[in-house]
Amino acid sequence: GIQVEQSPPDLILQEGANSTLRCNFSDSVNNLQWFHQNPWGQLINLFYIPSGTKQNGRLSATTVATERYSLLYISSSQTTDSGVYFCARAGGSQGNLIFGKGTKLSVKP
Amino acid sequence: DTEVTQTPKHLVMGMTNKKSLKCEQHMGHRAMYWYKQKAKKPPELMFVYSYEKLSINESVPSRFSPECPNSSLLNLHLHALQPEDSALYLCASSRLRLGTYEQFFGPGTRLTVL
Repeated sequence: GIQVEQSPPDLILQEGANSTLRCNFSDSVNNLQWFHQNPWGQLINLFYIPSGTKQNGRLSATTVATERYSLLYISSSQTTDSGVYFCARAGGSQGNLIFGKGTKLSVKP
Repeated sequence: DTEVTQTPKHLVMGMTNKKSLKCEQHMGHRAMYWYKQKAKKPPELMFVYSYEKLSINESVPSRFSPECPNSSLLNLHLHALQPEDSALYLCASSRLRLGTYEQFFGPGTRLTVL
C-alpha cells in the first residue's frame, strides 16, 4: 500500500539552529502537505506542496515528485517551533490523507 | 477564512453514555473527514463524506455513527464506547477538485471513555 516515511523521528535543537526534515513517499503524489501539531493537538497547515518549492517566513519546503521526497526546512528555530511535524499525502480520489509517523522537534532555549 | 470548528473541546463519557461530536466549516468544501489520533501516533482516517454522502468507512465499529446533515456540518455519534476509544478526534475538510485537495483540520475533541 501507500507508504509515507519521515525522518528523523526525533530532533533536539538549540534555539537559533537550522534543521531539515525529510518525507519519502512510495509512489507519485498529487497532494503533499506538511503540518505542525502543537501541544494542544491542533494540526496547523504549513505547506500544500505537491511539487516545487515554497517559503513562508523561516519555513520553506521542497517537493521533488519525480524522486518521491519532500523536505521541510526550519531556519533560526524558536522554542515555539517545538511539536510534531507530519507530512501527509492523499490516499485516493476522496482526498483522504495518509500520514507519516511524524518528526518530534524539541527546541531548547 | 480557513477555519474548521469542533465542539466540544473535551469530552468525558462512560461506556453506557450516548454523546455526539460536532464539526462545522464554511469554506464551501464538499469533502469532510473524521480522523482518530491515539497518543504518539499519526491521525488515522475513519470516515469520508463527499457531497454529503458517506464515501469511505475504514471498517470503523458501529458504535461510531457519522452523519452529514448538510454540506457545512459533520457529526459523529458515539454509543457504548470502550476505554480504548479514548483519543483525539479530528475533523477536516477539503475541496474535491483535482489539484486542490488541501485539507484543513479543526482543533479536535479530546475524548476520554471511563
